[in-house]
Order: sequence, then C-alpha cells, then structure tokens
Amino acid sequence: KAGVTQTPRYLIKTRGQQVTLSCSPISGHRSVSWYQQTPGQGLQFLFEYFSETQRNKGNFPGRFSGRQFSNSRSEMNVSTLELGDSALYLCASSPGDGYNEKLFFGSGTQLSVL
Amino acid sequence: AQSVSQHNHHVILSEAASLELGCNYSYGGTVNLFWYVQYPGQHLQLLLKYFSGDPLVKGIKGFEAEFIKSKFSFNLRKPSVQWSDTAEYFCAVRFGTGGFKTIFGAGTRLFVKA
Repeated sequence: KAGVTQTPRYLIKTRGQQVTLSCSPISGHRSVSWYQQTPGQGLQFLFEYFSETQRNKGNFPGRFSGRQFSNSRSEMNVSTLELGDSALYLCASSPGDGYNEKLFFGSGTQLSVL
Repeated sequence: AQSVSQHNHHVILSEAASLELGCNYSYGGTVNLFWYVQYPGQHLQLLLKYFSGDPLVKGIKGFEAEFIKSKFSFNLRKPSVQWSDTAEYFCAVRFGTGGFKTIFGAGTRLFVKA
C-alpha cells in the first residue's frame, strides 16, 4: 500500500507570491490533516478535512486555505507569502474521522520564502 | 486554548541510560494520547497510544508511557536506550466533538551517545 504522498518535495518562492501544495492520502483514507513544522515550534495544526469538509481549523491567518477533493486528495494554498511562512508542511491521513484515529504522515513539502 | 507541553527540548544520554520524557496537556474533556517519533530522514510514525483502560501502555521498541489523568500527563519512558533511539519525539493529543483534531507538542530531540 502506497504511503502518503506530498508534492512537491521542495519549493522556493519569494515574498508576496502564492503557493499550492498537494497531498495524496493512503488509499481508502478519507481524512487529511495539514501541519506546519518549524524548529522549536513542533507541529502547528492547520486544518483537518473529512469527506471534502473542513472539520477543524487551527490558528492561522486566512492566507492559509485548503480543500479536499472527492478522491480524498487535498491541496493547501498559501497566498501573499511572508518570510515567516518558511517551514516544512506535513500532510497526514487517517481512515476516518474517529476519536481514536492515528495519523500517517507524508515526507512533507519544504517551503522556503526568500 | 488547548495545548501540549513537552518539558525537554534536547536530551543527551549514553547508551543503556534510562529515559523519561515529560508531556502535559491542557484540555478538560476526554482525550486520546499519542507519542510519535521521527527518526533521522524518516517520516513521523506512531510509537504508542492511549485510548482507555490500563493507563500504562506499551509501544514499539521497548517504549512505554503512563497516563496520569489527575496530572494531565503522559510521560514516555524507556529503561535502557540504544544509539538507534536517536530521534525527535512528539507528544500529541486528539480531542473534539463533531470533528476532531490532533495537536502536538514542540518535540524533544534525543541524542544517544554510543
């Protein structure tokens, strides 16, 4: 079974640009979560989607948005990039949206904003 | 706001030493608790989890954790570490109603000297 796939692996953008990151969950998984990982901050929760609906959102500005498609694939978009958006963006999938779900992580997209 | 605190950001141990990593969370309702590990160059993966029942849970590679509800703590332990335990360890809490989210601590980097 293929794991969680994130593309691209690396991205370099300049301030003010926008970026779209993609995540393909494990086959059969219907829930996708996004996290921002930076040194010393750990993983900051961005949002969680289940069956194309955003079920939960973290404390990030509106420049951060996402969506989930009918095949469970998900995209995350960041508009008007700032230097502080440089981070590793991780996607995680799980079978459903249950209380006891464990997360399966992808390798992440390393975003550098210059 | 809900949060997860990990007491140590960096830990250096010699092989065969005992390990205890602290984790406290703030949330008044029912939670599920996890420890995830990220070995160098690898994805985040589940180490162990607590859902209910015996508060002492055992995970892979000889790790265990104890849930103390009155202290809102879920500390990770291993009696004798190995060089291969060098990794970053994340405590996580999953909670919610009608839509769940998993939030993570800032992580603890463990380095085991051979």
